[in-house]
Amino acid sequence: SQKIEQNSEALNIQEGKTATLTCNYTNYSPAYLQWYRQDPGRGPVFLLLIRENEKEKRKERLKVTFDTTLKQSLFHITASQPADSATYLCALEGKSSGDKLTFGTGTRLAVRP
Amino acid sequence: KAGVTQTPRYLIKTRGQQVTLSCSPISGHRSVSWYQQTPGQGLQFLFEYFSETQRNKGNFPGRFSGRQFSNSRSEMNVSTLELGDSALYLCASKLTGGTNEKLFFGSGTQLSVL
Repeated sequence: SQKIEQNSEALNIQEGKTATLTCNYTNYSPAYLQWYRQDPGRGPVFLLLIRENEKEKRKERLKVTFDTTLKQSLFHITASQPADSATYLCALEGKSSGDKLTFGTGTRLAVRP
Repeated sequence: KAGVTQTPRYLIKTRGQQVTLSCSPISGHRSVSWYQQTPGQGLQFLFEYFSETQRNKGNFPGRFSGRQFSNSRSEMNVSTLELGDSALYLCASKLTGGTNEKLFFGSGTQLSVL
C-alpha cells in the first residue's frame, strides 16, 4: 500500500543551525511534492512545491530536494530561528487530475535559542 | 482577500448525535477538500468537491458526507457520532480542480465527542 513516512520524533536544534527534515514514500509515483508548515491549533500553510522532474527548489532560507530514485524528499531550513519551531508536513500528489493530495504525519521541529 | 473560513471553531457533542461543519473557501476558489486530523493518524483525506460535484473520496464510513453549494461554500456532516470522531476537521480550498496547486487551509473545527 502507499505510504508516506516522516520522522515522528521531534527534531531539536540550536538556533542558527540548519534543520533537515526527511520525507520518504513507497508505492507511489508522485507528480508533485509539497511541504507545509503547521502551528498548534492552526491549519497547515503552504511553503514549497517541487515537481518530479526538478531536483531542487529554494525559497529564502528554505530548500527542498526531490529524489524519485530514492523516493525521498529533504527539506532544509538554514540559519534556523525559534520562530521556525512548528510541525512540517510533506504531501504527495499523483499525476491524474482526480488524485488527492496525501499528507505524511509530519515532523515537529523545535529550535532553541 | 479573506482566507478560508471554518465555523464553528470548537464543538462538543455526545455519542450518537450528528454534526454539520461549514467552510467558506477563498473567493474565486472552486475546489474544496476536507481532512480529518488526529494525533495518531495525521491528516486523513475525507473528500473533495469541485463545482458542486464530489471528485474524490477517502476511506471513511458513510456516516461522513459533504456537499458544495453553487457559491463554492461547503458543508460536512457526520451522523451517529462516535468517540473516535474527535478530531480537528480541516477544510482547504484551491483555485481549480487541477494538480500542481497549493492548498489554502482554514483554522479548522475542533470536534470533541463525549
